[in-house]
Amino acid sequence: DSGVTQTPKHLITATGQRVTLRCSPRSGDLSVYWYQQSLDQGLQFLIQYYNGEERAKGNILERFSAQQFPDLHSELNLSSLELGDSALYFCASSHESRRPRGGNEQFFGPGTRLTVL
Amino acid sequence: AQSVTQLGSHVSVSEGALVLLRCNYSSSVPPYLFWYVQYPNQGLQLLLKYTSAATLVKGINGFEAEFKKSETSFHLTKPSAHMSDAAEYFCAVSVFTGGGNKLTFGTGTQLKVEL
Repeated sequence: DSGVTQTPKHLITATGQRVTLRCSPRSGDLSVYWYQQSLDQGLQFLIQYYNGEERAKGNILERFSAQQFPDLHSELNLSSLELGDSALYFCASSHESRRPRGGNEQFFGPGTRLTVL
Repeated sequence: AQSVTQLGSHVSVSEGALVLLRCNYSSSVPPYLFWYVQYPNQGLQLLLKYTSAATLVKGINGFEAEFKKSETSFHLTKPSAHMSDAAEYFCAVSVFTGGGNKLTFGTGTQLKVEL
């Protein structure tokens, strides 16, 4: 158990719909990351938040958005869903200082499996 | 741009045999490198990481990896495979993007352990 929790575990929805995935980081971790794992794209970084602020952005679609709340939990919002959005979405957290540097290990949650029908 | 390449999408070994999973990196600066393992229907678990303190890194479950700058490699090894090692293994490089960190993953290697 990494200490990172994600809900829900599974989500089945239809094209065009909107869903929200939730993540709670490990106690004391200020950074939250979102990744997408799909068969054709592999594991891809989406976005990072640090203490409520966006820090880094990857290949995140405009239909997707995220935020980190004052209690440090994070939500990933996916809208206008398409079949190709079906994937495993992982949240990870790490302990980083105010002046970040590379190398901090990230601890992953169990993921949310999204199926778009 | 920093990246990693995993050679061999599938590796099969006999129980008790040496496990060798290959990872080569591309980086213009000293990299931070990681190996993660993913068991079926689970998240990623950190096996070990390299942060320039020592070239031979020991991780959990008997795995270790050696950083070789001359070969730009960070291969993962285990002297004796166990059935419970069957999983997918990912090599990753940490890319510091001026304010944020992200992991760039390889395509993964599925390890099969046979009796």
